[in-house]
Amino acid sequence: AQSVTQPDIHITVSEGASLELRCNYSYGATPYLFWYVQSPGQGLQLLLKYFSGDTLVQGIKGFEAEFKRSHSSFNLRKPSVHWSDAAEYFCAVGMNKYIFGTGTRLKVLA
Amino acid sequence: NAGVTQTPKFQVLKTGQSMTLQCAQDMNHNSMYWYRQDPGMGLRLIYYSASEGTTDKGEVPNGYNVSRLNKREFSLRLESAAPSQTSVYFCASLPEGRSYNEQFFGPGTRLTVL
Repeated sequence: AQSVTQPDIHITVSEGASLELRCNYSYGATPYLFWYVQSPGQGLQLLLKYFSGDTLVQGIKGFEAEFKRSHSSFNLRKPSVHWSDAAEYFCAVGMNKYIFGTGTRLKVLA
Repeated sequence: NAGVTQTPKFQVLKTGQSMTLQCAQDMNHNSMYWYRQDPGMGLRLIYYSASEGTTDKGEVPNGYNVSRLNKREFSLRLESAAPSQTSVYFCASLPEGRSYNEQFFGPGTRLTVL
């Protein structure tokens, strides 16, 4: 069955610290992978996506993600978190139809 | 371009009432989607439309109907609202083709059913 798992429901980091949000997927074909961010009361904004090629992809706002086929993972990283990064982050897999993870809510301490 | 727009932004219904959520996109996208978002459950697909005149069920279609009125508009109807349908509803659209595309999301409609 196709699925996406985000094992961390909540993560708290201090401003300036590094961040890694985990995403594991189960998908029959070569996955198309996405990370979206949702600020409170807002819609979803695409951070980055992976279709093929280089397994390390760069996105907006200083985020990057690495696709590891052997681990079925697509973890999101940022070297130095800013207070404005506090939001909920969703990993998704699919082509025309997406399967979303349950999300990770990030809190940033000043 | 306005992107994906949704109306209304907020709505409160009583159990048994009906309503239609409206979605429109001005990006000439072929595919459109309706999701619901509930705490701890991420986004779940209710219905989608791969093109004008076609609709298909997603993961959680019960209690909902949809209409793809034209290429721009995709509406979601609750015929008899239930408290379990209290949620935030998102509409999305996807460009045609197999290239490097992603879904674009509207701002959401927050629905409360009392």
